[in-house]
Amino acid sequence: KNEVEQSPQNLTAQEGEFITINCSYSVGISALHWLQQHPGGGIVSLFMLSSGKKKHGRLIATINIQEKHSSLHITASHPRDSAVYICAALYNTDKLIFGTGTRLQVFP
Amino acid sequence: NAGVTQTPKFQVLKTGQSMTLQCAQDMNHEYMSWYRQDPGMGLRLIHYSVGAGITDQGEVPNGYNVSRSTTEDFPLRLLSAAPSQTSVYFCASSYSLRDSGANVLTFGAGSRLTVL
Repeated sequence: KNEVEQSPQNLTAQEGEFITINCSYSVGISALHWLQQHPGGGIVSLFMLSSGKKKHGRLIATINIQEKHSSLHITASHPRDSAVYICAALYNTDKLIFGTGTRLQVFP
Repeated sequence: NAGVTQTPKFQVLKTGQSMTLQCAQDMNHEYMSWYRQDPGMGLRLIHYSVGAGITDQGEVPNGYNVSRSTTEDFPLRLLSAAPSQTSVYFCASSYSLRDSGANVLTFGAGSRLTVL
């Protein structure tokens, strides 16, 4: 069964801390997506990865194909980073399978 | 403004009623999809389309119908609403789910549906 698991489910941090959110998946994905869901409910696509590493501002996403694992890192976290972060795997079809999300709260 | 437009934002239905959630995009995206989001669960794919005239089922298609007569529009129809269909629904579109560019998948603002 194609599954996506995220950890941790909930994460709290002080402003400035380095954040890591993890995502593991089954074999055979063709792409891995990271999304951000704002407290108001809106969803924004952050990254699509099929290999290696991507960086956008303070966000870094990595993927290790052999270990079936991806991480999303936030450097110098800020209260505005508070959101739910979601990973989703594309399993050689056009269907995305989503994790249940990691709720991040960053306190000043 | 370019993006995905979903309507309505809120809807209350009685069991057995039918309705259509509208989704339109103006980015010429071939891929369009509908998801539902329930507390404690991840987003789940209902139906998707890879181009006009082509639709396919996702994880949870029962009770929902879709069509794709144009590139721009992908309406989701609830044929006979049930309380189990109470959820938040998101429409999303993409040029390609394998595109390595930023903002690969563009989501609508969501539609909150309550079935009594």
